[in-house]
Amino acid sequence: DSGVTQTPKHLITATGQRVTLRCSPRSGDLSVYWYQQSLDQGLQFLIQYYNGEERAKGNILERFSAQQFPDLHSELNLSSLELGDSALYFCASSYRGSHTTGELFFGEGSRLTVL
Amino acid sequence: AQKVTQAQTEISVVEKEDVTLDCVYETRDTTYYLFWYKQPPSGELVFLIRRNSFDEQNEISGRYSWNFQKSTSSFNFTITASQVVDSAVYFCALSEANQGAQKLVFGQGTRLTINP
Repeated sequence: DSGVTQTPKHLITATGQRVTLRCSPRSGDLSVYWYQQSLDQGLQFLIQYYNGEERAKGNILERFSAQQFPDLHSELNLSSLELGDSALYFCASSYRGSHTTGELFFGEGSRLTVL
Repeated sequence: AQKVTQAQTEISVVEKEDVTLDCVYETRDTTYYLFWYKQPPSGELVFLIRRNSFDEQNEISGRYSWNFQKSTSSFNFTITASQVVDSAVYFCALSEANQGAQKLVFGQGTRLTINP
């Protein structure tokens, strides 16, 4: 158990819909990262928040947005869903804002299926 | 541009065999970090090792060992005396310091199957 909690574990929805994925980082960790794992794109970095502020951005679509709340949990919002958005979405956390020290702890992922 | 290549898509061996997973990376940065993660059938990503670019010492942890060679831009992972529980997808990843070392770039993964 990494200590990173993601909900829901599984989600099935239809094209055009909007979903919210939630992540609670390990106790004491200030950074939250979101990654997408799909069959065609592999594992891709989406976005990082550090202590409530956006720190780094990767290949995140404009239809997707994220935020980190004062209690440090984070939400990833996916809207106008398309079939290609079906993927496993991972949240990870670390104490610091970079990988220069320590490891990145991943949650078990939220599997999104868009029908 | 940073890139990680795991040329072996799938490997299948019999239990107790040694197996090496290859990882080749590309980066323009002189300071970077290399990682290996394991993704068992349950789906979570499990951290195995982190290495910085200034530390080329090989590392051994039980049956696991890692060979980092900057000259060939490789960071290979060897499992000695493999066990069925080692079956998983293994990912090599790179993080560059000049980008704040915040983004992990993953290889495509190698699916390792250990047969009894």
